[in-house]
Amino acid sequence: GAGVSQSPRYKVAKRGQDVALRCDPISGHVSLFWYQQALGQGPEFLTYFQNEAQLDKSGLPSDRFFAERPEGSVSTLKIQRTQQEDSAVYLCASSLSRRLTRNQPQHFGDGTRLSIL
Amino acid sequence: SQKIEQNSEALNIQEGKTATLTCNYTNYSPAYLQWYRQDPGRGPVFLLLIRENEKEKRKERLKVTFDTTLKQSLFHITASQPADSATYLCALPGGSYIPTFGRGTSLIVHP
Repeated sequence: GAGVSQSPRYKVAKRGQDVALRCDPISGHVSLFWYQQALGQGPEFLTYFQNEAQLDKSGLPSDRFFAERPEGSVSTLKIQRTQQEDSAVYLCASSLSRRLTRNQPQHFGDGTRLSIL
Repeated sequence: SQKIEQNSEALNIQEGKTATLTCNYTNYSPAYLQWYRQDPGRGPVFLLLIRENEKEKRKERLKVTFDTTLKQSLFHITASQPADSATYLCALPGGSYIPTFGRGTSLIVHP
């Protein structure tokens, strides 16, 4: 596709359930980012991949959050034992360059809106 | 600690006027700064990037300034239109050059 695709667009889960959110980046984009966006706030960094390598996961809020990108393309963000505070929009972004200093713009998907009941 | 500040109050202006949005930052020495637009229910869309050695950047009706002494960027939309109504986010490279976003300012252009 032409842009970053995320699925599902909406996800409702009961507290304690596990969820998996998918991101299809733009073909050929090396860098992939996950962000969490609360209502009225800017995107908050979660984790960063360069190809299949997870180079930074410092933004993951707890060990219940896990991300992978096994073949360097599609990425999955998994949240185990969900809590109400996990309710947010999860955004995925990709960029062409492997070097973040090259200041390539990020291309975002439209996010997955996660609601934990 | 590092901080990016954007006005949390919505900016309301009349169609045809110039909108000016502000991004202030502390404890950053950014090599560049980016502006994004975000519509409700959508992901941010990249608009402009300005480097530390550039004072001003223009793209159609958009103009961005970058003052590294004041630690401030201004984002201007001239001849604003209702279709310009959206939230505008600024982003700076944080640790490891990973983009860090402000909370955004909502712009509402009234016809």
